[in-house]
Order: sequence, then structure tokens, then C-alpha cells
Amino acid sequence: QSALIQPASLSGSPGQSITISCTGTSSDVGGYNYVSWYQQHPGRAPKLIIYGVTNRPSGVSNRFSGSKSGNTASLSISGLQAEDEADYYCNSYTSSRTGEFGGGTKLTVL
Amino acid sequence: EVQLVESGGGLVQPGGSLRLSCAASGFTFSGYWMHWVRQAPGKGLVWVSRINELGSDTYYADSVKGRFTISRDNAKNTAYLQMNSLRADDSAVYYCVRDNHLWELDDWGQGILVSVSS
Repeated sequence: QSALIQPASLSGSPGQSITISCTGTSSDVGGYNYVSWYQQHPGRAPKLIIYGVTNRPSGVSNRFSGSKSGNTASLSISGLQAEDEADYYCNSYTSSRTGEFGGGTKLTVL
Repeated sequence: EVQLVESGGGLVQPGGSLRLSCAASGFTFSGYWMHWVRQAPGKGLVWVSRINELGSDTYYADSVKGRFTISRDNAKNTAYLQMNSLRADDSAVYYCVRDNHLWELDDWGQGILVSVSS
């Protein structure tokens, strides 16, 4: 079982908005603003979409946004598109100076 | 263009060893922390290890501590992951990843498959 807890699956219709949660502890998500999110399509390497809780790398759509409250970080996707169908992973720095990923969320666009 | 190319994977028996290499290009390799992340077939991402710019500071996931060693050669623009006492549950695709800032894993290699089986 992963240290960071994500819903295993979510679905939404094109144009809708969804939010993926990532729950940790005060030793990881809650203790640092070093949470990042990754999108992975089948057979491809992961792609960074959010870093530092809320920051988007250059070239990533502004339909993706990140936030954090307490020990839970969230990734929101607005205006769902077919190409958003993928696996999403959160990642956090920890008090042990290591890293940990969430178990991943499979997003289906209906 | 940033490129990270892993090599050295393959099939190994339980208890055996492998050394993965990650050849970097397109950026100043010596200016970045580097990570290894793995993904077992059909499973999620798992953080494995990281190393600082000079190679003097290293960290490991509990599952590999004492068996894996991360290192780097900045003159060769290459990072390494020495994997000893391999177990079946180490079987995975291993990704080499650049850390652009603390926990901004912005560039990933294509991954290399490691299979541990008798």
C-alpha cells in the first residue's frame, strides 16, 4: 500500500471538471510545499504537470491546477478532454528526505 | 533538448546484480539532482533513490536500502544504479529522472526493463 492515498479511479464527461485527491501526513504532504503531479499515458513515461503544489511547467495546459489543504493535496482538471484520459500520480518530499508516490488514479473520460 | 537514456537492464536471477546507467545530454548534468523511479508491470510509480549534484548526498527507499547504490560521474554525464541481491519484486521498468528543483521531476528517460526471475 502506497504511503500517499489516491482514489483508484475517477471518470468524467468531456467538458466537466474533476478533482483527484492525494492524502498523506504531516511528515510529507502536510509538512512541505513539495508536492508534484504526473500524468502517464499507456506505454509512455510520466510527464510532470504540477510542481511545488500549485505551479505548472511551461507548456502544460492551464486546465490543470493544484492545491493543498492540510495533509491533502489535490489536482483539478477543468474542461475535460479525451486526451486527459490517463493515469495520474501525486508525489511528495518527506521528512526522511526521500520521496513517495501515491498509488495512482486512473481517469476515464466518458 | 534534454535527453536521458537508460541502459543496462535485462533478465537476472534472484540474488544477482545489475548496474543501470543513465546517459544525460542537453543540459548541465552536474547542476542537477538525479532520481531513479521504478514501475512494476501494471502497477504504480515507486520512488527508489536520489543523488545530489556532487554525488556526496544520497537517499533510498526503505525497500532498496542496503541493496542498491546510486552514484554519478559528472565527467561522463552519467548516473548509475547498482542493484545487488535482486528479488522478484524488484522487477520493473526503471526510469532515470532529472530534478529541476526540489521535487520538480521534469525530465524522464524512456525507462529500462529489469526482470528478476529464475
